[in-house]
Amino acid sequence: SYELTQPPSVSVSPGQTARITCSGDALPKKYAYWYQQKSGQAPVLVIYEDTKRPSGIPERFSGSSSGTMATLTISGAQVEDEADYYCYSTDSSSSHRVFGGGTKLTVV
Amino acid sequence: EVQLVESGGGLVQPGGSLRLSCAASGFTFSRYSMSWVRQAPGNGLEWVANIIQDGSDKYYVDSVKGRFTISRDNAKNSLYLQMYSLRAEDTAVYYCARTKDIPFDYWGRGTLVTVSS
Repeated sequence: SYELTQPPSVSVSPGQTARITCSGDALPKKYAYWYQQKSGQAPVLVIYEDTKRPSGIPERFSGSSSGTMATLTISGAQVEDEADYYCYSTDSSSSHRVFGGGTKLTVV
Repeated sequence: EVQLVESGGGLVQPGGSLRLSCAASGFTFSRYSMSWVRQAPGNGLEWVANIIQDGSDKYYVDSVKGRFTISRDNAKNSLYLQMYSLRAEDTAVYYCARTKDIPFDYWGRGTLVTVSS
């Protein structure tokens, strides 16, 4: 099976830059997608195709990918950005569709 | 406005069956693939199944193959998940999500399935 690895937690102070990583062997060939899930709510897409931001998502959210690692960056994190963040991608054959284990972002 | 509303969750005994539904509105349902994603209590997200626009191709995570069946009715703008031989580890919130070029670009609020005696 295929796995995407994320750090369990990241903590920053308000206004600082938060970076959440996602590593996977197929990421050089496959896009990464990022989802934000606030407590008790459904997930929301925040980054697609490594770097693109859906309409309505604040500009402080950005994505990048290099080699086997994709990164979600929140520049000037706000208290309202506290949430769990999940990366998603597939293996090289697209037969396994997986989420990373999730990263809990604390902004305090 | 895109809306996805799941229903059909509840308490079921191990070995039992349940059918989940997802009512879609605000977009042309027949033009999109659709997926089910679940989240066990306190755990992360897990993709469960996907069905393409006309229903001719279906894909499942290994842990539900042979027990779950995804289907759709484009005339009714509805997605379904028939679940058989349910196990305690299937306990989760089940989300319906829209997929086309971008996976899971819209999600429903989910429906809770609890498998317990």
